[in-house]
Amino acid sequence: AQSVTQLDSQVPVFEEAPVELRCNYSSSVSVYLFWYVQYPNQGLQLLLKYLSGSTLVESINGFEAEFNKSQTSFHLRKPSVHISDTAEYFCAVRLANAGGTSYGKLTFGQGTILTVHP
Amino acid sequence: DGGITQSPKYLFRKEGQNVTLSCEQNLNHDAMYWYRQDPGQGLRLIYYSQIVNDFQKGDIAEGYSVSREKKESFPLTVTSAQKNPTAFYLCASSTRLATQETQYFGPGTRLLVL
Repeated sequence: AQSVTQLDSQVPVFEEAPVELRCNYSSSVSVYLFWYVQYPNQGLQLLLKYLSGSTLVESINGFEAEFNKSQTSFHLRKPSVHISDTAEYFCAVRLANAGGTSYGKLTFGQGTILTVHP
Repeated sequence: DGGITQSPKYLFRKEGQNVTLSCEQNLNHDAMYWYRQDPGQGLRLIYYSQIVNDFQKGDIAEGYSVSREKKESFPLTVTSAQKNPTAFYLCASSTRLATQETQYFGPGTRLLVL
């Protein structure tokens, strides 16, 4: 079974500073990786995902994540954060080979609360 | 606009009472899911459905029940057997039940016990 660990429960940063939210996963087979963002009292929105190909994936609002197979990591980074980035971020993993009618379970990490201070 | 709606936004349950959370989607998605979110625990899967009239238990199905009579609707009932129901409940859907498909989430329902 796969599992996901988000190493930091809370990350406070100042506006315009860089940030990295860490995510490590455990799986014996190939996986797909996702980052979701949740603003207070709202549902989750997909930020970016890695399915195959280039190990560096980017979102439209300046976030990027790099899939590192040897370190089983998928850390999320942004070079300069804004107040509006304050939210909770979830890393999630899904087995890549659960095809057909088999369900590839989406397993979430515990979440990291990013707080951007002015 | 296409999307997922959940109602009510807040729901209060008395002890021994069953309550039903609504989830509707107009995305024409085949697959739908229910998650429970507790602080510091991420999301845990309660039930999922890949097609009308079919649904499967997730990791924490005890004390919950679902139905899938229509493609666009996947209501969740929290029964009196669920001893700790206070949580944020999220419904999601995807085009189909496949590993590459993105799951889209509704705005959630917060259930509180009186």
